[in-house]
Formats: sequence, structure tokens, C-alpha cells
Amino acid sequence: QQQVKQSPQSLIVQKGGISIINCAYENTAFDYFPWYQQFPGKGPALLIAIRPDVSEKKEGRFTISFNKSAKQFSLHIMDSQPGDSATYFCAASIKAAGNKLTFGGGTRVLVKP
Amino acid sequence: DSGVTQTPKHLITATGQRVTLRCSPRSGDLSVYWYQQSLDQGLQFLIQYYNGEERAKGNILERFSAQQFPDLHSELNLSSLELGDSALYFCASSVEGAQGTQYFGPGTRLLVL
Repeated sequence: QQQVKQSPQSLIVQKGGISIINCAYENTAFDYFPWYQQFPGKGPALLIAIRPDVSEKKEGRFTISFNKSAKQFSLHIMDSQPGDSATYFCAASIKAAGNKLTFGGGTRVLVKP
Repeated sequence: DSGVTQTPKHLITATGQRVTLRCSPRSGDLSVYWYQQSLDQGLQFLIQYYNGEERAKGNILERFSAQQFPDLHSELNLSSLELGDSALYFCASSVEGAQGTQYFGPGTRLLVL
């Protein structure tokens, strides 16, 4: 059972454009929603995270939008740069369950110069 | 650099063999998580240890086992290896209470021939 569904699987955006990645979850017990960025040959690195009592969080060019009623959240990358080309994973966790991360399938983002 | 180290970086072995993957968490982190990343299954949680004790278990096969030692380093043991066990294995660590903030190591790439 895939508890976190992520789309699209890949996207291509021009430099300066906006990248949007969407995730949907099923388990309403999830209480933490991080996004991870992974470059080839590296481990995932935490990018930005949000809790369900907040509808939006912005850090630099990265913004998470969260819709609790729809059980959906999304990552927006503004002014996309070639250095943003990577695979992005949404995830969810439950503190009472030890904070293990349940990941979405990943989105490969390519930013063209 | 996340501060989490994993050895070896690459491992090539044959079916039926047994291997041990090693992880050293960030200084001060008591929790260690193991994840498997494969093309067909994505990033999946295997097991978590906290200060030497097993805290949570995911989709970990019975052929796999792990432990965390008094110096907090952890080992993941994979036995009776099958072709399908070929994957990237990541270790992550976190400070207890820092929900979602897991720092990933560079991974061990296992190839079973």
C-alpha cells in the first residue's frame, strides 16, 4: 500500500521558471511532512518541512503548500536554477511511531539553462 | 557533508552470500535509521534503532538484521543474498525529538550477481 503518492515522476523546466511537485497521503496520523533533495550518487538531504497545522511555509525559493482537508501537499521551486536539477522526494512521518519516513516515489527535475 | 558515514561505498557479491554494512551517525545523534532505495520499490524504511534498542521496524526481510552498538554505530547484516537485494542502502541519523530531521549518509551500493 503506497501511503504517499507523488507526481509527476519527472519534469523539465526552463531556468527562471516554477517547478511544482505534488504529493497526496492517506494516513491522517502523519504529523510531519518533509521534502528531501537528492543528487546523483548522494544521500537525500532535508530541504524544507511542514507540520499539518500550517498551510504554507517558505524558505528562500522553496515553498510548501499544505491542504489538510484534501490530504495533499506540494513543493514549489521558484526561479528554478540549473543547480536545482535533482530528484525530489516528499515524505511523511508520525512522531509516535518513531519518526520513520514514508517516502513518495520521487520526481526527477531537470532545469534547462 | 551530513556527518553520517557509511562503509563500504560499493559492494559486489554473489547470490547466497552474506554482507555487513556499517554506519556511523552524526556526533550526538542517538537514532539510526536504515533505508533501502531501489528502482522498483523507491525509498523504503527498513529499521530504526535508538540508543542501542530497536525502536521501529518496516518492510525488512527476515534475512536482514541490524544492531546498534554502545558507541552508537550501526550495522546492517544481509544474508542469503538474492539478485533482488541489489540496491542502495542508506543510513540516517537524528537527534531524539527532532522530528523528520534525519541526516542521510552517502549510502552503500550493493550489487548481487
